[in-house]
Amino acid sequence: QVQLQESGPGLVKPSQTLSLTCAVSGDSISRGSWSWSWIRQPAGKGLEWIGRIYTSGSTNYNPPLKSRVTISLDTSKNQFSLRLTSVTATDTAVYYCAREKYSRAWYADSWGQGTLVTVSS
Amino acid sequence: IQLTQSPAFLSASVGDRVTITCRASQDISSFFAWYQQKPGKAPNLLIFDASTLQSGVPSRFSGSGSGTEFTLTISSLQPEDFATYYCQHLHSYPITFGQGTRLEIK
Repeated sequence: QVQLQESGPGLVKPSQTLSLTCAVSGDSISRGSWSWSWIRQPAGKGLEWIGRIYTSGSTNYNPPLKSRVTISLDTSKNQFSLRLTSVTATDTAVYYCAREKYSRAWYADSWGQGTLVTVSS
Repeated sequence: IQLTQSPAFLSASVGDRVTITCRASQDISSFFAWYQQKPGKAPNLLIFDASTLQSGVPSRFSGSGSGTEFTLTISSLQPEDFATYYCQHLHSYPITFGQGTRLEIK
């Protein structure tokens, strides 16, 4: 049973960089069967897909965020990470990491519990 | 591609059959999923490829549709089904979700 756990600062100052890590247990992030993604959700609002990374290291990002987002893999630690630069209050949200499985498209079938990141001075 | 869910809010009773609809602003074939989210929890994948039931999800959940119109049906509501439901398309970037349908107990 795969488990994902987000970690990182809960408070980030405006204009700074948000950095989160997703530790994966119960499966290897190097297995080609999966891709690994980040999704966020502002309080009381809907879901926003941020991006994904494949085991090859290639990435796809949500175009509105693309200039500020980097997702990377650390196979030695079996984890993947999110960096979001130049944050503003609108980046305040619960951030989820997820494993995606492929069946005609990549679907998020296992999720972390989420971590709240607040952007405030 | 915009996804429009309806209704935004639904009040129903245990045992009811309910249907939630999601309309896409253009043809997305069957690159489509439904998720359930309970308060304070991460979303849970229910349906993928528009109509395939995710492993471990009760058979009272079903999905149908292709192209621009999709439905999620719960055949007989159980107490644990009261939650918010989101649709998602994966046809092209940006991948987007619907705004959600909140299902509450009548």
